[in-house]
Amino acid sequence: SYELTQPPSVSVSPGQTATITCSGDKLGNRYTSWYQQKPGQSPILVIYHDAKRPSGIPERFSGFNSGNTATLTISGTQALDEADYYCQAWDSSLGVFGGGTKLTVL
Amino acid sequence: EVQLVESGGGVVRPGGSLRLSCAASGFIFDDFAMRWVRQAPGKGLEWVSGINWNGGSTGYADSVKGRFTISRDNAKNSLYLQMNSLRVEDTAFYYCARENLEYSSSSGFDPWGQGTLVTVSS
Repeated sequence: SYELTQPPSVSVSPGQTATITCSGDKLGNRYTSWYQQKPGQSPILVIYHDAKRPSGIPERFSGFNSGNTATLTISGTQALDEADYYCQAWDSSLGVFGGGTKLTVL
Repeated sequence: EVQLVESGGGVVRPGGSLRLSCAASGFIFDDFAMRWVRQAPGKGLEWVSGINWNGGSTGYADSVKGRFTISRDNAKNSLYLQMNSLRVEDTAFYYCARENLEYSSSSGFDPWGQGTLVTVSS
């Protein structure tokens, strides 16, 4: 079965750039989405089709996908960006999530 | 306002059954694929099942295949998940989620419902 691998945790200082990776075999050939989940809340979509932002998502969120790695970048990270982030792709008609990355802003 | 509201969660014994429902509003339900995603307490997200706009195509995670059945009633703007032969490891919050874009199958999941908790315990 297809697997997506994320680092368990990433730390960033306020105002700096946070980079979260998601690795999978030939992931660049698949569309990748990213979700943000804060404690006690449902996930929200922050990036789809590798690099597109849904309406209402700040411009500081961006995505890129090539080769075996997709990347979520948060520029000018703010304290309110502290959350768990999950990547997601498709293996034929089956959805696959990465294990999630806890982003700490300190 | 686009809204998804799950119901039907609860406590069930191993081997038992539950039927989850997801009531959709604020959008043309027929135009979108729908998904179920679960999250065990303190754990990550797990895709469970998906269904296309008319119910003609469905998919299941290996962990639930043969035990869970996804369905939809477009006349009632509702999505369902019939869960049979439940196991302790099925304990989780179950979220229904809409495909982000209409007539699409890989545009991400948005929005999500608030989730309903299923607890399988003896």
